[in-house]
Amino acid sequence: DAGVIQSPRHEVTEMGQEVTLRCKPISGHNSLFWYRQTMMRGLELLIYFNNNVPIDDSGMPEDRFSAKMPNASFSTLKIQPSEPRDSAVYFCASSFGRADTQYFGPGTRLTVL
Amino acid sequence: AQSVSQHNHHVILSEAASLELGCNYSYGGTVNLFWYVQYPGQHLQLLLKYFSGDPLVKGIKGFEAEFIKSKFSFNLRKPSVQWSDTAEYFCAFESGSARQLTFGSGTQLTVLP
Repeated sequence: DAGVIQSPRHEVTEMGQEVTLRCKPISGHNSLFWYRQTMMRGLELLIYFNNNVPIDDSGMPEDRFSAKMPNASFSTLKIQPSEPRDSAVYFCASSFGRADTQYFGPGTRLTVL
Repeated sequence: AQSVSQHNHHVILSEAASLELGCNYSYGGTVNLFWYVQYPGQHLQLLLKYFSGDPLVKGIKGFEAEFIKSKFSFNLRKPSVQWSDTAEYFCAFESGSARQLTFGSGTQLTVLP
């Protein structure tokens, strides 16, 4: 299996622009998680989906952030408009079942100028 | 609130030294416990996990961790570290009723050759 796939790996954009991050979970996994990693706040869970349905989005910072999972093999995290404080590494992870381990993707390093 | 404490922010050791990284969690119920490792420039990888059974868990690359329920601890150990163990180590837990991981702030391990 190719593991969790994320794109792009690096994104540099200007403040105010829309940013879309993409994730393809491991085939067969039914839970998907978006995390953000910064020096100041460490790893934070933003949102997670189970069977394509958002279960808990309490970690989403504000309305500028939105996430979708239109099918079992694809999810997006969108920031509109982006701000410099959104600069971070965004990780996607997937798992199968309640007791399964989460497997992380390589992350997207976002820089907002 | 659920939280994970990693008291050592940065640990510097010489090769062949023994390692113990502390991890304490705050939650009164059943937990699943994890240690993840993040090598420089790479994504999070699972080192080991505890769900139930033997509280002494062995993971990859010679790492082990012991779950001590009375102390709410899950310390990571390795008898003899190598230069290639230089990385950031994250302790995480998942409460019995939820699917999301709560991560500690991480411990940066530097092993000197």
